Amino acid sequence: EDKVVQSPLSLVVHEGDTVTLNCSYEVTNFRSLLWYKQEKKAPTFLFMLTSSGIEKKSGRLSSILDKKELFSILNITATQTGDSAVYLCAVPAGNQFYFGTGTSLTVIP
Amino acid sequence: GAGVSQTPSNKVTEKGKYVELRCDPISGHTALYWYRQSLGQGPEFLIYFQGTGAADDSGLPNDRFFAVRPEGSVSTLKIQRTERGDSAVYLCASSHGTPANEQFFGPGTRLTVL
Repeated sequence: EDKVVQSPLSLVVHEGDTVTLNCSYEVTNFRSLLWYKQEKKAPTFLFMLTSSGIEKKSGRLSSILDKKELFSILNITATQTGDSAVYLCAVPAGNQFYFGTGTSLTVIP
Repeated sequence: GAGVSQTPSNKVTEKGKYVELRCDPISGHTALYWYRQSLGQGPEFLIYFQGTGAADDSGLPNDRFFAVRPEGSVSTLKIQRTERGDSAVYLCASSHGTPANEQFFGPGTRLTVL
């Protein structure tokens, strides 16, 4: 059965801390893994990863994929209160996207 | 429009009633998806359209749920005989091309069944 598991479920940090969010997956015919940030309703796209070992970076956020061990990590350095959100990991399988339950990140001033 | 839009933003209905939720995808996006998201959970796939046809409706929970996309653009998710367990945020997303591509999400419709 295809599935996506994220950890931790929730995280509380102070501004300036660095966090690492984890996403492991089991899907047949893997093509890509996507990270989204969800603040209120609409998830907004962060990264799409298709190749192992190639880091994608956008400002203080970065992500990498390990297709051998079937996981991805999302790093956020120098966290800010605006980073508070739920971070979702998604993997397409067939015509569907399988989402994890998300990691709820709270950044305290 | 510039992004995916959904109406209404909130819908409160009574158990047993019929509801329709609308999604306007990004112009030119051939693929359209409906998801349901309950509190504390990730989005759960319901149905995927490629053009006018439902390419995959395996996520629809039962026959009370139905969706259409008659002209390959706007889609409507229809729920008959609503139940309290249908309460959730219903998200719509569109993408250009295959399901492996980035999806752009709408703001969702929060459905509350009393």
